[in-house]
Amino acid sequence: TQLLEQSPQFLSIQEGENLTVYCNSSSVFSSLQWYRQEPGEGPVLLVTVVTGGEVKKLKRLTFQFGDARKDSSLHITAAQPGDTGLYLCAGAVGGADGLTFGKGTHLIIQP
Amino acid sequence: EPEVTQTPSHQVTQMGQEVILRCVPISNHLYFYWYRQILGQKVEFLVSFYNNEISEKSEIFDDQFSVERPDGSNFTLKIRSTKLEDSAMYFCASSESRGYQPQHFGDGTRLSIL
Repeated sequence: TQLLEQSPQFLSIQEGENLTVYCNSSSVFSSLQWYRQEPGEGPVLLVTVVTGGEVKKLKRLTFQFGDARKDSSLHITAAQPGDTGLYLCAGAVGGADGLTFGKGTHLIIQP
Repeated sequence: EPEVTQTPSHQVTQMGQEVILRCVPISNHLYFYWYRQILGQKVEFLVSFYNNEISEKSEIFDDQFSVERPDGSNFTLKIRSTKLEDSAMYFCASSESRGYQPQHFGDGTRLSIL
């Protein structure tokens, strides 16, 4: 069973601060996806990382895939209240179709 | 931007009844998926579907569940003889292909079993 552990589970910071959330596993993932989920809605794709060591940027969000493809991080610069939400990482192992999801990080950015 | 649509948004059903959840995947996508999320828990994979047959299923997807692509646009999940523990959000997703291609999710159907 592949597990994705996300940390921290909850994070509340002030607007303008920087933050990093983590997604870790003992399994190697062929790809890893980050989603954001609002209450009552489905996960919305933010980014997919595939190559070990890969870094992708999406405006103020920076995503990194670990060299060994077992972990990933999401860094937000100058957080804004609009960044508030549940951030999920999900990985695909080898030839599997189904994604394994973490429990998510609940992020609150206070004005 | 194309999106995955799911109906109904909320379904309330008596225990023991059959329920069908419907999804319209993104039109050029070839792989379709169902996931569920029990309240307060993580999203769990149920089944993937390609070329009119099940490609992969999890241990959750037992004989109570079935999937079908009845026409060129719809993808359905049928739950026979529903149980209280089937209450959850059910998400449909689709992707262009498998592997590295990202999966795009619908907004889900909230299934409540009474």
